[in-house]
Amino acid sequence: DGGITQSPKYLFRKEGQNVTLSCEQNLNHDAMYWYRQDPGQGLRLIYYSQIVNDFQKGDIAEGYSVSREKKESFPLTVTSAQKNPTAFYLCASSTTGTFVSGNTIYFGEGSWLTVV
Amino acid sequence: KNQVEQSPQSLIILEGKNCTLQCNYTVSPFSNLRWYKQDTGRGPVSLTIMTFSENTKSNGRYTATLDADTKQSSLHITASQLSDSASYICVVSARGDSWGKLQFGAGTQVVVTP
Repeated sequence: DGGITQSPKYLFRKEGQNVTLSCEQNLNHDAMYWYRQDPGQGLRLIYYSQIVNDFQKGDIAEGYSVSREKKESFPLTVTSAQKNPTAFYLCASSTTGTFVSGNTIYFGEGSWLTVV
Repeated sequence: KNQVEQSPQSLIILEGKNCTLQCNYTVSPFSNLRWYKQDTGRGPVSLTIMTFSENTKSNGRYTATLDADTKQSSLHITASQLSDSASYICVVSARGDSWGKLQFGAGTQVVVTP
């Protein structure tokens, strides 16, 4: 099946720990994104990457880090510097980084991160 | 301030009834507006995409309208089904912006009851 796979679905983080959320896509998309979703708020962009070995900070990048060593993979690390990491995290991808008529952004199934 | 406002925040409707969700935006210059459906604990799925010149677009029982002059959009659900229970998210992008600049509304939570 073609799509975006996020893992794990549920993750618990202890204080002071770094955790990594995995995102893999087999859609051959160039652009990939990480969003954070909190109750009652719209999705907020953490990081995005329009090509391998390149990525840009989004609106709420502090306390997060990413890498893009392969086209199909865009892992997100939530570091101990992120003081309020409990949220639903969504990975997404698109064919390009700009809007083209009919171009769609596809989302993974999301990962729940909870601080314990 | 959020550039995309959705209303109502939530609504409950009986199975088989119709409902309309609203999206007001201030994003400028406007490029396109999308509606997504998000089931609880799942990723959003695209329903419709509308550009400046499009007023109406349908996807099965979902019909989206766009008034670019008043910067308003609506999503109408016809003959609702239990599977329509979800959050509906309005997403707006400005002309020339990359995907990283998408503006997301907070969503309208729809509950369809038997």
